[in-house]
Amino acid sequence: KQEVTQIPAALSVPEGENLVLNCSFTDSAIYNLQWFRQDPGKGLTSLLLIQSSQREQTSGRLNASLDKSSGRSTLYIAASQPGDSATYLCAGSDQTGANNLFFGTGTRLTVIP
Amino acid sequence: SAVISQKPSRDICQRGTSLTIQCQVDSQVTMMFWYRQQPGQSLTLIATANQGSEATYESGFVIDKFPISRPNLTFSTLTVSNMSPEDSSIYLCSARTSWDTDTQYFGPGTRLTVL
Repeated sequence: KQEVTQIPAALSVPEGENLVLNCSFTDSAIYNLQWFRQDPGKGLTSLLLIQSSQREQTSGRLNASLDKSSGRSTLYIAASQPGDSATYLCAGSDQTGANNLFFGTGTRLTVIP
Repeated sequence: SAVISQKPSRDICQRGTSLTIQCQVDSQVTMMFWYRQQPGQSLTLIATANQGSEATYESGFVIDKFPISRPNLTFSTLTVSNMSPEDSSIYLCSARTSWDTDTQYFGPGTRLTVL
């Protein structure tokens, strides 16, 4: 069974810092990888999707990369802002792109003004 | 993108009762899913809601406990039956569209507390 680990579990940084969130899968056979943001008591917002043929995606201050050989992904946030404070979840689908997304337990980010 | 709404947004229920959660998508989608997020945990897939037929349940989840309906391409319901405090979770509806099959969209969730 695929297990997903996110490190660190919690992170607190001053505003303006660049930061990296990590995600690793026990089974490196990942088809797609998606990063989500979850605000307290809310649902998930999709941030970036790395499709099977891709290794990296960028959107604004966010950059996500995927190393399929090691089953690791990183989410880079540049020039962090207090509005970035949320829990960030990574999720991967298996080699067949099947229905189930395997979610990590998340990194709770706090950006201090 | 697809916008997903859920009702109710939260509820507090008594042990032994049932609650039905509704999920509405603003466009026709190919696949709809129901997830559970227990306190402090990540998301776990309960089932895939199939239009006009029985849902496909993941290991550990059964139809008698979590009956699901999907009468059309934009609407689904999840019922949490005979509730116990262990059912206290956030329940999230999710969908994939036909034009963007790899991106998964989520509703805002229903926060359920069982006393």
